[in-house]
Amino acid sequence: DSGVTQTPKHLITATGQRVTLRCSPRSGDLSVYWYQQSLDQGLQFLIQYYNGEERAKGNILERFSAQQFPDLHSELNLSSLELGDSALYFCASSVGKGPEPYGYTFGSGTRLTVV
Amino acid sequence: AQSVTQLDSQVPVFEEAPVELRCNYSSSVSVYLFWYVQYPNQGLQLLLKYLSGSTLVESINGFEAEFNKSQTSFHLRKPSVHISDTAEYFCAVISQGAQKLVFGQGTRLTINP
Repeated sequence: DSGVTQTPKHLITATGQRVTLRCSPRSGDLSVYWYQQSLDQGLQFLIQYYNGEERAKGNILERFSAQQFPDLHSELNLSSLELGDSALYFCASSVGKGPEPYGYTFGSGTRLTVV
Repeated sequence: AQSVTQLDSQVPVFEEAPVELRCNYSSSVSVYLFWYVQYPNQGLQLLLKYLSGSTLVESINGFEAEFNKSQTSFHLRKPSVHISDTAEYFCAVISQGAQKLVFGQGTRLTINP
């Protein structure tokens, strides 16, 4: 157990729908990062939050949004889902704004299947 | 911009043989380097990291990696692999001042008995 909790582990939904993925960071970590892993794109950085504020944005589609709440858990919202959104979505956390001193800790991921 | 290249998408080896998984990075500033392992149907686990100090870093399960600044490499090695090492291995880099960890495409390590 890495200490980063992601729910749900699996999600199957239809095209056009909206889903919410949840992440609780490791105790004491203030940053949360979202990554998408697909066979053709590999691991792609989506977005980072630090202590409730958006800190960095990567290849995140406009149909996707995220937020970090006061208790530091984060949610990734995916809307108007397309078949191509099927992927593993990982959350990671770190103590500070970057990787020092412990690196990033990843959750076990949410596997999203859009049918 | 930072980037990572893992030179081999798949590496098959026999059990108890040595292995090297190659990783090269591109960055114009100082970097932090990581190797993550992903076992089948699991998330990514940190294997080892280089943040500063000694250029040779080791993991608890026998892997080691050496940061070579002149070669811009961070190759992962193990002198004798086990069946349980079968997994996908990801090299990752973050440049000082950058906001995100950038991953290579991964190397699938397959151990044959």
